[in-house]
Amino acid sequence: AQKITQTQPGMFVQEKEAVTLDCTYDTSDPSYGLFWYKQPSSGEMIFLIYQGSYDQQNATEGRYSLNFQKARKSANLVISASQLGDSAMYFCAMGLEGGADGLTFGKGTHLIIQP
Amino acid sequence: DSGVTQTPKHLITATGQRVTLRCSPRSGDLSVYWYQQSLDQGLQFLIQYYNGEERAKGNILERFSAQQFPDLHSELNLSSLELGDSALYFCASSVKTNLPTDTQYFGPGTRLTVL
Repeated sequence: AQKITQTQPGMFVQEKEAVTLDCTYDTSDPSYGLFWYKQPSSGEMIFLIYQGSYDQQNATEGRYSLNFQKARKSANLVISASQLGDSAMYFCAMGLEGGADGLTFGKGTHLIIQP
Repeated sequence: DSGVTQTPKHLITATGQRVTLRCSPRSGDLSVYWYQQSLDQGLQFLIQYYNGEERAKGNILERFSAQQFPDLHSELNLSSLELGDSALYFCASSVKTNLPTDTQYFGPGTRLTVL
């Protein structure tokens, strides 16, 4: 069965600094997708970025980039120039192309941006 | 705004009761997923429908059931409610294909409190 591990329960970062949120995954399926979602205190789940297992380049979306290291099975989220509005829970998730289990989520990282 | 709508936003009920949560996917999306987020279990996949048919089943209790209607909206029915069913229930929809690697867009969630 697939598994997502986020080892940082919480992080404090100064505003304008870059942030790296760790995510490692485990699957024997060769075809999968990796996702990052943001959950602010208001509760909604906001899609940030996607990386496919066969993608050659790391995904980027504005200030978000995904540092995909396939051999290490890691998919870290990098947020450049952090802002106060980035304070939220961040979840890493995986979906399997051959699977039938929806997305598997990690436990999340609570990021707090300090002024 | 993801384009996925969920009603009601909040629901408070008593043990033993039955409730129905409603979800409307983004326009054109055929897949609907249901997830449960609780403090102890985290985010868990419950069930997926694709174009009216059940496609995948996760950790969904027998007391819970769902369906997707011809207009593609979906309902999650929770019966014989217990205190432990208190959670945030999310609906998500994905683009026209039915693969887990497709990006899922989440609704705002329904917060269920069982007293």
